[in-house]
Amino acid sequence: DIQMTQSPSSVSASVGDRVVITCRASQDISAWLVWYQQKPGKAPNLLIYGASRLQSGVPSRFSGSGSGTVFTLTISSLQPEDFATYYCQQARSSPPTFGGGTRVEIK
Amino acid sequence: QVQLQQWGAGLLKPSETLSLTCAVYSGSFSTYYFTWVRQSPGQGLEWIGEINHSGSTNYNPSLRSRVTISVDTSKNQFSLKLTSVTAADTAVYYCARGGGPRSDAFDIWGQGTMVTVSS
Repeated sequence: DIQMTQSPSSVSASVGDRVVITCRASQDISAWLVWYQQKPGKAPNLLIYGASRLQSGVPSRFSGSGSGTVFTLTISSLQPEDFATYYCQQARSSPPTFGGGTRVEIK
Repeated sequence: QVQLQQWGAGLLKPSETLSLTCAVYSGSFSTYYFTWVRQSPGQGLEWIGEINHSGSTNYNPSLRSRVTISVDTSKNQFSLKLTSVTAADTAVYYCARGGGPRSDAFDIWGQGTMVTVSS
């Protein structure tokens, strides 16, 4: 299985801050990388697919980049509704695997 | 707007069989694969397996010996069975749309079902 490692595991930030989350794959996954946001008690919500393609309806302050083994999710200006846990997932090979998550907390 | 609604027993004893069903509303059932994912308390996400409308399945090798995913196209529903459950199977189980040979992202999710395994 492809292992996905996220860093940091948690980050404290203020409204308006720029936040960057990194996801590393244990092998080359090209651009087969997906990002989800999950709030407590809710199902994950798709943010970005294909490493950089914004899902319809997702605010443009979210962006994704990277290819191969290193990827980033950037929130350009953190909003109150963005405090949540973020997960990456590789879609290159079966089984799909997820990173351990990054919790974005209020500073 | 496509919606996934899931249901099933939430409390099981060790060795029993977990059984969950997910219904797909207001969307194409034949175009996509549908998936089960679980999340242990305080832990990350684990893919269980997937199915399409014709019954083609793929399972996570870590669970393959205990998992069966089936489909009922007449009702636009798909189901998960996990046999011989233990406390390690305690988790929130989600159904989702996506996966398959196109490796579609999981774009629509059910509301989740908390399944607790306890004697």
